[in-house]
Amino acid sequence: AQTVTQSQPEMSVQEAETVTLSCTYDTSESNYYLFWYKQPPSRQMILVIRQEAYKQQNATENRFSVNFQKAAKSFSLKISDSQLGDTAMYFCALLNNAGNMLTFGGGTRLMVKP
Amino acid sequence: EAGVTQSPTHLIKTRGQQVTLRCSPISGHTSVYWYQQALGLGLQFLLWYDEGEERNRGNFPPRFSGRQFPNYSSELNVNALELEDSALYLCASSRDNTDTQYFGPGTRLTVL
Repeated sequence: AQTVTQSQPEMSVQEAETVTLSCTYDTSESNYYLFWYKQPPSRQMILVIRQEAYKQQNATENRFSVNFQKAAKSFSLKISDSQLGDTAMYFCALLNNAGNMLTFGGGTRLMVKP
Repeated sequence: EAGVTQSPTHLIKTRGQQVTLRCSPISGHTSVYWYQQALGLGLQFLLWYDEGEERNRGNFPPRFSGRQFPNYSSELNVNALELEDSALYLCASSRDNTDTQYFGPGTRLTVL
């Protein structure tokens, strides 16, 4: 069985500042993929960033970047220059090839304050 | 390019009734996934369909079922509704088993 843990239920950050959301996971698979999804109040789940486990280079997507530590099974998300529109629930998720199911963490509610 | 679409947006049913939720994947995507997001339980995998076949199933009772049509759209059926079935039901699609899953806006089901 695979698990994903997000230890920060809620976080807040001032607009324009940087914030890091934590995620740890556990899987016995050697080939897997990690994601961060964002769910704003509209409830639409939006992809933020994707990381392939076989890639050593950390993924980046504009203001969003990850710190992928494979040995430690850690996958944190850094949001730079936070904007009010970043206010949302953020979910870390793990996909392996075995059953094609995404396993989600419990989520971190991020509030960006003006 | 159109994203994943789901219908209806909201549904209110009473205990014991049956409900059907619908999902249309992104064009070119053959895999469809269903997830349940219930308060306090987080996001849980329900079903995976690919090329018209059920490929994997989460830890849900048999009254949760579905199918995938030749055009790759999908239905989720829930029979004998229970109060705890109240949740947001999310559909996602992908091109293959290593591809990113893209989500629809969800269907909010309330069971009274």
